[in-house]
Amino acid sequence: TQLLEQSPQFLSIQEGENLTVYCNSSSVFSSLQWYRQEPGEGPVLLVTVVTGGEVKKLKRLTFQFGDARKDSSLHITAAQPGDTGLYLCAGVPGNQFYFGTGTSLTVIP
Amino acid sequence: KAGVTQTPRYLIKTRGQQVTLSCSPISGHRSVSWYQQTPGQGLQFLFEYFSETQRNKGNFPGRFSGRQFSNSRSEMNVSTLELGDSALYLCASSYGRQSNEKLFFGSGTQLSVL
Repeated sequence: TQLLEQSPQFLSIQEGENLTVYCNSSSVFSSLQWYRQEPGEGPVLLVTVVTGGEVKKLKRLTFQFGDARKDSSLHITAAQPGDTGLYLCAGVPGNQFYFGTGTSLTVIP
Repeated sequence: KAGVTQTPRYLIKTRGQQVTLSCSPISGHRSVSWYQQTPGQGLQFLFEYFSETQRNKGNFPGRFSGRQFSNSRSEMNVSTLELGDSALYLCASSYGRQSNEKLFFGSGTQLSVL
């Protein structure tokens, strides 16, 4: 059983569409991070959410931390081919990082 | 500022052999953590080193070991390789002052065990 479950696991959409990726857990996190990993590279941090209910925007990406700090979502508006990659949520419930199961996004031109 | 450097980028080994992977963190970073990434299991935490001491350890067998040098560079060793050890091995560095700090990842070492 994974500590952080992400859904969907795979997503293939057309350029210009909107999408939402979910990260869920039964544990409470002091903060959650979202990373994007492109093929052949390591993950790169996109954002950290800290406060329950917090919403952060990064251009066309909107991140939300659940009120109970057990879940988070990533919404992408008008997806572009450059958004293609593996999206990972991560958190530290104790003293080490746990990564989510990942969502592989493909945006078709 | 140079990023996290991992060498080698690709490695092919046979079962039973051992392998050593290297990671050079960002200058000033004292924490180096290692992760195994596979399509089936995702990113799994191996261990973290801070100031030459192992600070945290994941749930991997003793065949997986590591160390950190005084310049914060780190090495990871896998002995008696098994087919299931085929994976992308990523290292990440951070200042190490807080447990939820931003991690900076290298590009990884792709290990194939035949």
